[in-house]
Amino acid sequence: IQLTQSPTFLSASVGDTVSFTCRASRDILNYLAWYQQKPGKAPNLLIFAASTLQGGVPSRFSGSGSETEFTLTISSLQPEDFATYYCLQLYSFPFTFGPGTKVDF
Amino acid sequence: EVLLVESGGGLVQPGGSLRLSCAASGFTFKSFAMHWVRQPPGEGLEWIASVSDVGSPTFYTDSVKGRFTVSRDNSKNTLYLQMNSLRADDTAVYFCAKYSHSCLPLCFYYLDVWGRGTPVTVSS
Repeated sequence: IQLTQSPTFLSASVGDTVSFTCRASRDILNYLAWYQQKPGKAPNLLIFAASTLQGGVPSRFSGSGSETEFTLTISSLQPEDFATYYCLQLYSFPFTFGPGTKVDF
Repeated sequence: EVLLVESGGGLVQPGGSLRLSCAASGFTFKSFAMHWVRQPPGEGLEWIASVSDVGSPTFYTDSVKGRFTVSRDNSKNTLYLQMNSLRADDTAVYFCAKYSHSCLPLCFYYLDVWGRGTPVTVSS
C-alpha cells in the first residue's frame, strides 16, 4: 500500500490553521496514524485510528478521513508545531509511511 | 518510565553485518509486538520489520527481506535486528518502536513508544 502526502512543504505562521492530506493507494479503512518528527528526534504519535487523539497530545491537533483519504489539521499553530508530519498505514504488512509534510515558517 | 534504547550501530563496509539491539524497560516487554523503522539521512521514515510478542510471525519490507532478521529475547527484554549483506542504501538511523493497541471497541494499532535511534553507516 502506497501513501502520498500533500503538500510536501507548507509555509505557515503562528496562529494559522493548517491542514494536509495523506492518500492511500487502496482502502485502509481507518488504520492510519499521524506522527510529528523534529530534527534529530524520534517520531511522536499524535493520532491513531485516523481521528483518535493520543493521550497528552494538545487538542489543537485533529484527524479525519477514512478509506483512502485522510487529513491532519492543526488549529492555531504554535511555535513548537513547526516540524515534519508523517502518516503511517497499519492496515496490512508491510506497513508504510507517507513521504512527509514539512511545516515551516 | 517506558523506555527503549537502541545500540549496536556504527560504520560497516558494504557486504558486512551488524546486529542492533533494543533494550526495553518500564513495560511488560513479552506482551507487545515490536517494530524497526529506519530513516536515511535527510529522508523520510521507512518501516522495515516487525516481530510478534512471542517471536513469530515476523514481517519485513521487500528491500530487507532475506538480508535482515528480527528477533527477540523476552527473558532479557531485548529486541534484535541482525543485518547481513549490508549496502550503502541501508545507511540510516534505526529506531525500535513498541506496537500498542486501543479497542474502541474495534481494535486499532499504533507505534506509541520509540527509542532515540542508533545510526548505521555502510561505506568503504
